[in-house]
Amino acid sequence: DTEVTQTPKHLVMGMTNKKSLKCEQHMGHRAMYWYKQKAKKPPELMFVYSYEKLSINESVPSRFSPECPNSSLLNLHLHALQPEDSALYLCASSQVGPGSTDTQYFGPGTRLTVL
Amino acid sequence: EDKVVQSPLSLVVHEGDTVTLNCSYEVTNFRSLLWYKQEKKAPTFLFMLTSSGIEKKSGRLSSILDKKELFSILNITATQTGDSAIYLCAAGTQGGSEKLVFGKGTKLTVNP
Repeated sequence: DTEVTQTPKHLVMGMTNKKSLKCEQHMGHRAMYWYKQKAKKPPELMFVYSYEKLSINESVPSRFSPECPNSSLLNLHLHALQPEDSALYLCASSQVGPGSTDTQYFGPGTRLTVL
Repeated sequence: EDKVVQSPLSLVVHEGDTVTLNCSYEVTNFRSLLWYKQEKKAPTFLFMLTSSGIEKKSGRLSSILDKKELFSILNITATQTGDSAIYLCAAGTQGGSEKLVFGKGTKLTVNP
């Protein structure tokens, strides 16, 4: 099973709203990722959690707040977003540690529209 | 700065044609080269390559890595309309950073 699930599939929010994106995997992976992907561009890394600790933050604005409650779950809390934040938000997971590979498995993404 | 360059950026072929997609990379602490296929939503994993000269195959798709010349190719034979997608190449780095450096992708369109 190489499934990563994400909810919701689509989200429309106003600039004053607070919402959360959720990601779940049951592959025993201990690294989880958030990417942002604009149309016709490759995924851009936002955050990496390794063993439930934030290991990489690619200078993402504070209106995006990640959270990793346990090894299977990853959330992205959104607050006071801007229209330019509209994009496909992808979650991914991978193994880490000795003998691991770099293969990241992606979820289906959440299509976010900020009005 | 780490960099992955794919070519061509766009390719239009007819069903049955064979295509070769290119990926060159310059990354520090290179560990692996990955290929993904992206249709309407999330990228789906195709191959991971770590050793030079060893071809990986999956059906009509195959890929090989040249660590001396710092490039990889993805071949698709007997293309079908279902192969139409964006093909992403990414380089994985060592050092515990768990980062993938993505290229911009090659958009492949296969016409009937």
